[in-house]
Amino acid sequence: AQKITQTQPGMFVQEKEAVTLDCTYDTSDPSYGLFWYKQPSSGEMIFLIYQGSYDQQNATEGRYSLNFQKARKSANLVISASQLGDSAMYFCAMREPLNTGGFKTIFGAGTRLFVKA
Amino acid sequence: DVKVTQSSRYLVKRTGEKVFLECVQDMDHENMFWYRQDPGLGLRLIYFSYDVKMKEKGDIPEGYSVSREKKERFSLILESASTNQTSMYLCASSQTGLSTDTQYFGPGTRLTVL
Repeated sequence: AQKITQTQPGMFVQEKEAVTLDCTYDTSDPSYGLFWYKQPSSGEMIFLIYQGSYDQQNATEGRYSLNFQKARKSANLVISASQLGDSAMYFCAMREPLNTGGFKTIFGAGTRLFVKA
Repeated sequence: DVKVTQSSRYLVKRTGEKVFLECVQDMDHENMFWYRQDPGLGLRLIYFSYDVKMKEKGDIPEGYSVSREKKERFSLILESASTNQTSMYLCASSQTGLSTDTQYFGPGTRLTVL
């Protein structure tokens, strides 16, 4: 079963506007972490933002914020004031504990964002 | 800054060849991971390691093996490359104990098996 779902394969946004990238997740463990990564055309994965399952406040990092709705199991990424350099692939990921004591991170299929001038 | 390097950005191999993909991190991280990335499938975990000489299978380990003889180096081995292993391979490292356990990625190796 899909544990991380990103329903938007591609999105367009006008430069300087805000955009929301959707992510829903599925886990039965109360302790988990949610991440967003950006992958530009160069291929490198760049960490953007993190939200822990027990965090009361939504995470923010500069123009990035994570709209965490625990009951809905959603962790949408909001990018404010889009810039041309935001054009990239965006991955939502979830870290959950393993029975062995370690962690495993699962990635969604990604959303490709195109920022128009 | 964390630096994760991978031995090659692009690699072309023939079916049946043994292929080694090397990954090195310079931040003394305990955890290292190998993923493959295919369009529409996101990143899928092949193998990971939480310590030297330790390895655990991820979601798609078939056709791959790994080696971690030193803390900073994690190698992915394709024992007998096949065309369905043509993909982008990403290595990552992280440090347990930090609140986020964020994974830091290398630039990737795009492997083509002919």
